[in-house]
Amino acid sequence: DGGITQSPKYLFRKEGQNVTLSCEQNLNHDAMYWYRQDPGQGLRLIYYSQIVNDFQKGDIAEGYSVSREKKESFPLTVTSAQKNPTAFYLCASILSGTSNQPQHFGDGTRLSIL
Amino acid sequence: QQQVKQSPQSLIVQKGGISIINCAYENTAFDYFPWYQQFPGKGPALLIAIRPDVSEKKEGRFTISFNKSAKQFSLHIMDSQPGDSATYFCAARGSGSARQLTFGSGTQLTVLP
Repeated sequence: DGGITQSPKYLFRKEGQNVTLSCEQNLNHDAMYWYRQDPGQGLRLIYYSQIVNDFQKGDIAEGYSVSREKKESFPLTVTSAQKNPTAFYLCASILSGTSNQPQHFGDGTRLSIL
Repeated sequence: QQQVKQSPQSLIVQKGGISIINCAYENTAFDYFPWYQQFPGKGPALLIAIRPDVSEKKEGRFTISFNKSAKQFSLHIMDSQPGDSATYFCAARGSGSARQLTFGSGTQLTVLP
């Protein structure tokens, strides 16, 4: 079955450490997105990528970095510059150029600070 | 600036009752309004969606009502069941090529047996 796989499900970060969250999709979708979800808040866009080797900042990109070397993969790095990284991180994808198509989400990675 | 405002933050309904969640938006360039359902530890899943040229859309027990002039839309869950207990998010999509979604803050629905 096609879908989006996020790993790991749980991740712990030490002070000053960079950590990378994986997102892989086999839906042949062009566009991929990273969101951050905090309790009582909606999803906030961190970065998105519409095509390979291209990506744009979302609303809360500071302290995060991404790469898009392959169509199927869009890893997110939470750097030590992100001072409040504890959150639930969600990856999504969509087939570009289509109307009325929903973004498909993975099951998230929960990041906590040690 | 929050562009999609969602209420209530939490909702408790008896089994068989009607659950109503409301959203309001500001940006008239939004062209697609989906609702997502999220269970604990899972990613959101599309529940139902509507375009602004339609005033109502019904799928089973779920109905979206859309008021373009008031810039408001709502989700109605008829005959609510305990299995509907989840967090619901409304969203609005911009018309630009990035197809970005702006999400409401979510409503935690609890349906009592």
